[in-house]
Amino acid sequence: KNEVEQSPQNLTAQEGEFITINCSYSVGISALHWLQQHPGGGIVSLFMLSSGKKKHGRLIATINIQEKHSSLHITASHPRDSAVYICAVSRGSEKLVFGKGTKLTVNP
Amino acid sequence: GAGVSQSPSNKVTEKGKDVELRCDPISGHTALYWYRQSLGQGLEFLIYFQGNSAPDKSGLPSDRFSAERTGGSVSTLTIQRTQQEDSAVYLCASSSGQGLYGYTFGSGTRLTVV
Repeated sequence: KNEVEQSPQNLTAQEGEFITINCSYSVGISALHWLQQHPGGGIVSLFMLSSGKKKHGRLIATINIQEKHSSLHITASHPRDSAVYICAVSRGSEKLVFGKGTKLTVNP
Repeated sequence: GAGVSQSPSNKVTEKGKDVELRCDPISGHTALYWYRQSLGQGLEFLIYFQGNSAPDKSGLPSDRFSAERTGGSVSTLTIQRTQQEDSAVYLCASSSGQGLYGYTFGSGTRLTVV
């Protein structure tokens, strides 16, 4: 079993829909990260969370430490949000351990 | 620099040749990481540097892979006697360390072994 599990693996939405991507982890962590990778593009760090909730524009990330679970929400989705969203966890300055990613396609 | 810089952005090499991939992290970032992303696969850890030392090199797939970091700055990942299975995007990331801040990724080097 992977240390970091994401769901769904693939997600297709219509423009304007509210989107949720889930991440569960099985190990103790110091932080959870949400990353975005556009096709052929590099990786951008969206959020780093150790507790609670963070918001940036239309993106919201939450984490429940007791449940070992995090969600990434996108409100009013847009085709430019189409990308692979990756959940990763870290312990101190150690390496990131990645989920397999969620491929999001937002159709106009 | 303003971001993490990797070079070359693309590299095509013949099987059996050696290649060197370079990463120039954000100035002042003490932690530097190399990851690999094979086609259709997830991200795979290779090696982690704290300053010039590598406390975790557990992800290097074979002894054909080596990396060094000098001056607490630039890092070079070397692959000797390249094989087709080495074809992947090699990503470098840096962090200010201690796990207190996020990671900044470079754009990667796409390596194709023919």
